Amino acid sequence: KAGVTQTPRYLIKTRGQQVTLSCSPISGHRSVSWYQQTPGQGLQFLFEYFSETQRNKGNFPGRFSGRQFSNSRSEMNVSTLELGDSALYLCASSLYSSYNEQFFGPGTRLTVL
Amino acid sequence: AQSVAQPEDQVNVAEGNPLTVKCTYSVSGNPYLFWYVQYPNRGLQFLLKYITGDNLVKGSYGFEAEFNKSQTSFHLKKPSALVSDSALYFCAVGTNRDDKIIFGKGTRLHILP
Repeated sequence: KAGVTQTPRYLIKTRGQQVTLSCSPISGHRSVSWYQQTPGQGLQFLFEYFSETQRNKGNFPGRFSGRQFSNSRSEMNVSTLELGDSALYLCASSLYSSYNEQFFGPGTRLTVL
Repeated sequence: AQSVAQPEDQVNVAEGNPLTVKCTYSVSGNPYLFWYVQYPNRGLQFLLKYITGDNLVKGSYGFEAEFNKSQTSFHLKKPSALVSDSALYFCAVGTNRDDKIIFGKGTRLHILP
C-alpha cells in the first residue's frame, strides 16, 4: 500500500506570496491532519479534515486554510506569506481520526525569503 | 485545554543501557496518549498509544510506555538502547474523539556507541 505523499517536497517563496501544498493520504484513510514543524516550536497542529469537513483547527491565523476533496486528498493554503512561515509542513492520514495511528508524509519544506 | 510537556530537549544514553524519555500532560478528563518517533530522513512514525486499560503499553521496536495517572506522566522506556534508536521523539495527548491531538516539542535521543 502506498504511503502518504506530499507535493511539492521543497518550495521557496517570497514574503507576501501565497502557496498551496498538497497531500494524498493512504488509500482508504478518511482523516487528514496538517502540522507545522519548526525547531523551536516542535510539531504544531494546524487542522484536521474528515469527509471533506474541517473537524478541528489549531491556533493559527486565518492566512492558513485547507480543504479536503471527495477522494480524501487535501490541500493547505497559506496566503500573504511571512518569514515566520518557513517550516516543514507535515500531512498525516489515518482511518477515521487522528486518535487512530497517524501515518505521516515526508513533508513539504517551505522557505520564505 | 490540554497540554503536553517534554522537559528534556536532549537525552544521551550509552548503548546497551536502559533509556527513558519523559512526558507529562495536562488534560480535563481522561487522556489519550501517544508516542511518535522521527528518524533522520524517514519521517514521523507511530510507536504506541494509551487509551485505556493496562498502564504499561508495549509498542514498536521494543519500546514501552508507562501511564501514571497520579503523576500525569507517560514516559517512554526501553530496557537496552541501540544506536539505531537515535532520533527525535514526540509525545502527544488528546482528550476525546472530538478534540485535537497536541504534540510536545520533542526530545532528541542520542545513543552513544
